[in-house]
Amino acid sequence: QKEVEQNSGPLSVPEGAIASLNCTYSDRGSQSFFWYRQYSGKSPELIMFIYSNGDKEDGRFTAQLNKASQYVSLLIRDSQPSDSATYLCAAGGAGNQFYFGTGTSLTVIP
Amino acid sequence: NAGVTQTPKFRILKIGQSMTLQCTQDMNHNYMYWYRQDPGMGLKLIYYSVGAGITDKGEVPNGYNVSRSTTEDFPLRLELAAPSQTSVYFCASTAIQGGELFFGEGSRLTVL
Repeated sequence: QKEVEQNSGPLSVPEGAIASLNCTYSDRGSQSFFWYRQYSGKSPELIMFIYSNGDKEDGRFTAQLNKASQYVSLLIRDSQPSDSATYLCAAGGAGNQFYFGTGTSLTVIP
Repeated sequence: NAGVTQTPKFRILKIGQSMTLQCTQDMNHNYMYWYRQDPGMGLKLIYYSVGAGITDKGEVPNGYNVSRSTTEDFPLRLELAAPSQTSVYFCASTAIQGGELFFGEGSRLTVL
């Protein structure tokens, strides 16, 4: 069974700190990787996507991909209370399906 | 553009009733998906479609049916509702295989 696993948390960080979220995936055929943010009672919204090994930065967010280790991470720098949400990791498989982790709950403490 | 629109947003069903969750997108996306999300859990794929007339099962298809007669619409049918189908349902679409998913606002279903 193809799986995506995340550190389930909950994760708490003080405002201004770096939040680190991790994810591993089992399908070596996965080509695309996503981090979605989901506020309570809302639908997921895309934060970052990454297709190639290495780092990808967008503002305060950095996604890291290591295909050899089947590992994806998301770093949030200068964390803000508005970053408090559940973060979902997803992998796009070799087929047409996407596989989601169970999410990591992040709380940023003012 | 409205994006992905789901109706209804909330619904309470009695055990054994049937209903259809509607999903429509105006982005001309070929790929459409139905997920369910149980409390504290990630998204589980129910059914997906890669284009009009083509549908396929995901991880948890039992108790559900779909159709895709047009590019825009991808309704999800629940037959003989059961309490285990109490969940939040999300419809999503993407333009390309493995591309960014655009989600609807979700439909919260309770089966009593």
